[in-house]
Amino acid sequence: NAGVTQTPKFRILKIGQSMTLQCTQDMNHNYMYWYRQDPGMGLKLIYYSVGAGITDKGEVPNGYNVSRSTTEDFPLRLELAAPSQTSVYFCASTPFFLGSQKNIQYFGAGTRLSVL
Amino acid sequence: TQLLEQSPQFLSIQEGENLTVYCNSSSVFSSLQWYRQEPGEGPVLLVTVVTGGEVKKLKRLTFQFGDARKDSSLHITAAQPGDTGLYLCAGTSITGTASKLTFGTGTRLQVTL
Repeated sequence: NAGVTQTPKFRILKIGQSMTLQCTQDMNHNYMYWYRQDPGMGLKLIYYSVGAGITDKGEVPNGYNVSRSTTEDFPLRLELAAPSQTSVYFCASTPFFLGSQKNIQYFGAGTRLSVL
Repeated sequence: TQLLEQSPQFLSIQEGENLTVYCNSSSVFSSLQWYRQEPGEGPVLLVTVVTGGEVKKLKRLTFQFGDARKDSSLHITAAQPGDTGLYLCAGTSITGTASKLTFGTGTRLQVTL
């Protein structure tokens, strides 16, 4: 049972470098999300997607880009890494519209990113 | 911007004690979820409450959704060391064709022997 898989688990970047955080889910979920979590805090939504080819901004999208070419994959791109992007990044997916009581949002294990 | 404030931020108690965590907002949510997160892992859903005034029980955990669907509480009876973790509430809001979660600020609970 793979669920939501994120790679890499850890990464250190220098200021100005770029990288892509990978997220794959094998549950055929339409809805996928990227969050960041700063130490001891809750999660903030960066971008989300309601299906292949459709993405939209969340609460904190600046400095990030996403694409959704397939149902399974939802990569997050950092073009010019900054120290403020040091955080733990979580990808999540859900099969149902979140208003449904049956909905469960499944999270990956996270990518811990440090920008120095 | 919708905000969910949790209180307390930190809680350190001994095994066997009871505790309550609060999640408050000025916004109305379609539903509210509670998650628990352990170090190095993603959040795991504990419960979803949908109806104003709804109460759900999960073993020693009792969740309540406020009548106006703006606030919620989590009560743990006879806490155990296994309850240690970061507890997050999250409100669901529907915008256009999508629905999103707004997470609370989190409550870090430590239960010691």
